[in-house]
Amino acid sequence: EAGVVQSPRYKIIEKKQPVAFWCNPISGHNTLYWYLQNLGQGPELLIRYENEEAVDDSQLPKDRFSAERLKGVDSTLKIQPAELGDSAVYLCASSSLPSGTGELFFGEGSRLTVL
Amino acid sequence: AQSVTQLGSHVSVSEGALVLLRCNYSSSVPPYLFWYVQYPNQGLQLLLKYTTGATLVKGINGFEAEFKKSETSFHLTKPSAHMSDAAEYFCAVSEGTGNQFYFGTGTSLTVIP
Repeated sequence: EAGVVQSPRYKIIEKKQPVAFWCNPISGHNTLYWYLQNLGQGPELLIRYENEEAVDDSQLPKDRFSAERLKGVDSTLKIQPAELGDSAVYLCASSSLPSGTGELFFGEGSRLTVL
Repeated sequence: AQSVTQLGSHVSVSEGALVLLRCNYSSSVPPYLFWYVQYPNQGLQLLLKYTTGATLVKGINGFEAEFKKSETSFHLTKPSAHMSDAAEYFCAVSEGTGNQFYFGTGTSLTVIP
């Protein structure tokens, strides 16, 4: 069974440019999370979905970040425009259980460097 | 609000020695507790979890953790460290269905040959 797939793995952009990250969760996993991981820190939730509904986006900086999960499967996280402080790893995770209960399966992450 | 505290951002042990990684949490309800491991340039993977039932839980690679409600702790242990255990370890807590997971800041484990 394929795991959570994220792309791109690495992205280098200049500040003020847009960037998008894509996540394909494990088949059948209805719950999907986007996390931000700064160097030396634990993951911090940006947004979580149950099916196609964003059930918690309170920590998503909506002035520059947006996310969507079409048809309750793949998801895209966008930043526009990117700032220097956005340099981090963006992790996608999925779960077969309702949010807050079961094991999270993580992708390898997308490492963003903003110059 | 929930929080997770991992004491010791860096822990070094000799190969074959006991591994003890500490995790304390705050939660207003019985928590769901998890330990994840992260190898360089990879995502996190589950080591073990506690939801209900037996307070001593066993995970992969010889790790185990004990939920102690009175101490609000969920420390991770392994009797004998291997070189392959060198990684970053994260403790996480949730208050259950419909709630998010909160992660600690992580503990980097170094295993000395």
